[in-house]
Amino acid sequence: QSTLKQPPSLSAAPGQKVTISCSGSSSNIGNNYVSWYQQLPTAAPKLLIYDNNKRPSGIPDRFSGSTSGTSATLAITGLQTGDEADYYCVTWDSSPGAVVFGGGTKLTVL
Amino acid sequence: QEQLVESGGGVVQSGKSLRLSCAASGFAFNNYGLHWVRQAPGKGLEWVAGIFYDGSYKYYLGSVKGRFTISKDSSRNTMFLEMKNLRVEDTALYYCARDVGPRVATANWDFGLWGQGTQVTVSS
Repeated sequence: QSTLKQPPSLSAAPGQKVTISCSGSSSNIGNNYVSWYQQLPTAAPKLLIYDNNKRPSGIPDRFSGSTSGTSATLAITGLQTGDEADYYCVTWDSSPGAVVFGGGTKLTVL
Repeated sequence: QEQLVESGGGVVQSGKSLRLSCAASGFAFNNYGLHWVRQAPGKGLEWVAGIFYDGSYKYYLGSVKGRFTISKDSSRNTMFLEMKNLRVEDTALYYCARDVGPRVATANWDFGLWGQGTQVTVSS
């Protein structure tokens, strides 16, 4: 059971917008920034968002992040078939004092 | 180009030890914090351990504290994960990962560079 709760799966059509939620608590999201990773099938994870809403170089602005209280959201607009992947939120949890990942969300682009 | 290459994985019996290596190239090794992240078969990502860029601080997942030790050898541009008293639940693909930015002297979870992983299988 992951400390950070994500929906196990989502699906949407090409061109649409999807949002992936990540729910936590005051010991994690409520007091620390959130990052997001994309993991394509059989590949290593890739950093999509850091510091809640910053994109590393090379990440298109179709990907955006936000936080509110003890929740975080990853939004993807203009969905493409190449966006089919698992998405993970991550942050620090002061109790127990470790980096924690969400359980992951499998995105299907129909 | 910047690269991380893991090695040292294998099949071991429960209770035994294994040492993983992560060889870095293409960037200033001494300037970046490093981490191990694992993924059990069909499961999600789990952070295991991290070490500050200067080696001054190491931090661990609770379930591996006292059993795993992270370290780095700057003369060899290599990071290690010494794993002792392995358990079946430690079975996973182990990735090494690097901080996205240099000289971060706090706990960090922005991993801008990843290796391809090395498989560890612990049998009972």
